[in-house]
Amino acid sequence: QVQLVQSGAEVKKPGASVKVSCKASGYTFTGYYMHWVRQAPGQGLEWMGWINPNSGGTNYAQKFQGRVTMTRDTSISTAYMELSRLRSDDTAVYYCARDRGRVVVAATYWFDPWGQGTLVTVSS
Amino acid sequence: QSVLTQPPSVSAAPGQKVTISCSGSSSNIGNNYVSWYQQLPGTAPKLLIYENNKRPSGIPDRFSGSKSGTSATLGITGLQTGDEADYYCGTWDSSLSALFGGGTKLTVL
Repeated sequence: QVQLVQSGAEVKKPGASVKVSCKASGYTFTGYYMHWVRQAPGQGLEWMGWINPNSGGTNYAQKFQGRVTMTRDTSISTAYMELSRLRSDDTAVYYCARDRGRVVVAATYWFDPWGQGTLVTVSS
Repeated sequence: QSVLTQPPSVSAAPGQKVTISCSGSSSNIGNNYVSWYQQLPGTAPKLLIYENNKRPSGIPDRFSGSKSGTSATLGITGLQTGDEADYYCGTWDSSLSALFGGGTKLTVL
């Protein structure tokens, strides 16, 4: 079955960077867009952007441009999200989520399935 | 403050029906498909509805979606205690961003 397994929780100081991984299994990794979505404690969902695992192309939400970098390693079917210049309000659970659409067509922005989430805590 | 507006909470008794609304504008819901997600406590969100009214395999037909103009609605019939969760609507916006509603907490009394 399609499964996304993320890396473990991180604690970072303000100004540092964090890199979260998302290992995919059960499907052709390069066939589907991968999104990243975050959720601050007690808050709603916030889309950060996507990566096309086939081409490496990315599309970032304007809010995160200049601070986020999404990459992938096709040899191990793993996507990465790195967020730099961390602030306390970046404390959140970060999710990877596969798009239902194939990269040969277009992103659908329907997220299925999701990884289990990675808690990133930013604190001095 | 989310661009997509959902009621903060809804409640109903087991076996009853509940609807959750999601209101947007012509730049988002009005011209794009809507999806719905269920987030059980302490877990990742799960896709319930995509393309306004389609259900992924494994999602029971107790869950339904509809869209009219700049608003969308999630319906849940035959409520069960296991349906207690946060529900989010989602869509694309012409500002080149995916959007989510603020979420609605469903309580099954």
